[in-house]
Amino acid sequence: AQSVAQPEDQVNVAEGNPLTVKCTYSVSGNPYLFWYVQYPNRGLQFLLKYITGDNLVKGSYGFEAEFNKSQTSFHLKKPSALVSDSALYFCAVRDPTDSWGKFQFGAGTQVVVTP
Amino acid sequence: DGGITQSPKYLFRKEGQNVTLSCEQNLNHDAMYWYRQDPGQGLRLIYYSQIVNDFQKGDIAEGYSVSREKKESFPLTVTSAQKNPTAFYLCASSKSGGSDTQYFGPGTRLTVL
Repeated sequence: AQSVAQPEDQVNVAEGNPLTVKCTYSVSGNPYLFWYVQYPNRGLQFLLKYITGDNLVKGSYGFEAEFNKSQTSFHLKKPSALVSDSALYFCAVRDPTDSWGKFQFGAGTQVVVTP
Repeated sequence: DGGITQSPKYLFRKEGQNVTLSCEQNLNHDAMYWYRQDPGQGLRLIYYSQIVNDFQKGDIAEGYSVSREKKESFPLTVTSAQKNPTAFYLCASSKSGGSDTQYFGPGTRLTVL
């Protein structure tokens, strides 16, 4: 069975500082990993995904994530946070051996960027 | 949210009533999904469909029903058997399974009065 954990309910960062949102996963084999962002009362927006290849994945709005197989992690990062980055962030994992392609989502991490 | 529409945006239901949430996509995606979102619990899968006329129960299917008569449509009915239906409901679609990204609609907030 696949699972994903986001160990921090909330991350607080000052504008201009680096932002990191943590995600760890458990899945048999090589996972497909995704990050989404959600603004209040909106649907989820896709940021980036890791399928294979380069461990550093670049995505939308200046975000990037690093796949670390040994630590089973896929942390989301942004070098310089903006107030507009304040939102709810979700990590998701998909087991490639699951023919139905179900996603497993983490509980989400609220990011608060202060001016 | 582009390409996936959900209606209505807000829905109020009296206890004992069935209500149907609409989800339509024009992305020509084969797979569609329904999730429920509650504060602090992330997204939980209700039902999913990989192809027309076929669907599977997710993790919390009790009290819900779906149909997939057309590729672009995947309506969700919240029945009176669902004991705590107040939540934010999200529809998603993907081209197929595998490494394909799921794209989400804007959501429907259901409140039971």
